[in-house]
Amino acid sequence: KNQVEQSPQSLIILEGKNCTLQCNYTVSPFSNLRWYKQDTGRGPVSLTIMTFSENTKSNGRYTATLDADTKQSSLHITASQLSDSASYICVVSEYDKLIFGTGTRLQVFP
Amino acid sequence: SQTIHQWPATLVQPVGSPLSLECTVEGTSNPNLYWYRQAAGRGLQLLFYSVGIGQISSEVPQNLSASRPQDRQFILSSKKLLLSDSGFYLCAGGRDNSPLHFGNGTRLTVT
Repeated sequence: KNQVEQSPQSLIILEGKNCTLQCNYTVSPFSNLRWYKQDTGRGPVSLTIMTFSENTKSNGRYTATLDADTKQSSLHITASQLSDSASYICVVSEYDKLIFGTGTRLQVFP
Repeated sequence: SQTIHQWPATLVQPVGSPLSLECTVEGTSNPNLYWYRQAAGRGLQLLFYSVGIGQISSEVPQNLSASRPQDRQFILSSKKLLLSDSGFYLCAGGRDNSPLHFGNGTRLTVT
């Protein structure tokens, strides 16, 4: 069964610190991998989207990496801000079907 | 730019009542459309997706159904709601390798 697993399940960091979130997937065939940020009670918002040929993509303080050989991706957040507190969801595309990970809940404390 | 409209924002329905949630897309044509459900504190569960008018793929067997009567309209329905249908329902749309856009969701409480 195609799956997307994320770690850690939750994370607490201090404002200004960096953090890295992990995503492992078994989806095949693979079209693209996306990272989303979801604030509580809101719809997810796209951060990055990468095809299998892309290794890294940045969006401001967010940098996503992809290793299609090992089927791993990471999302690195630099100089965290209080507004980064949210759930971060890894989504892998199998053609037109999107398979969501269960997310990492990030809390940034002052 | 693409916008996903979803309504209502919140809904309280008794067990056994029917359901109809509507999602419309603005700013793009022939999008892939998705219905997701998110239980409290959990990840998104794909319910249905559609690649075109009248084309619906169901991911989870349940008492929900979906229809796509128009290119930019996606409807989630139920004839008789169950308590377990409570959750946060999200509609999303997008094309190929472009970012997926989400609506603001409908919080459904079945009592």
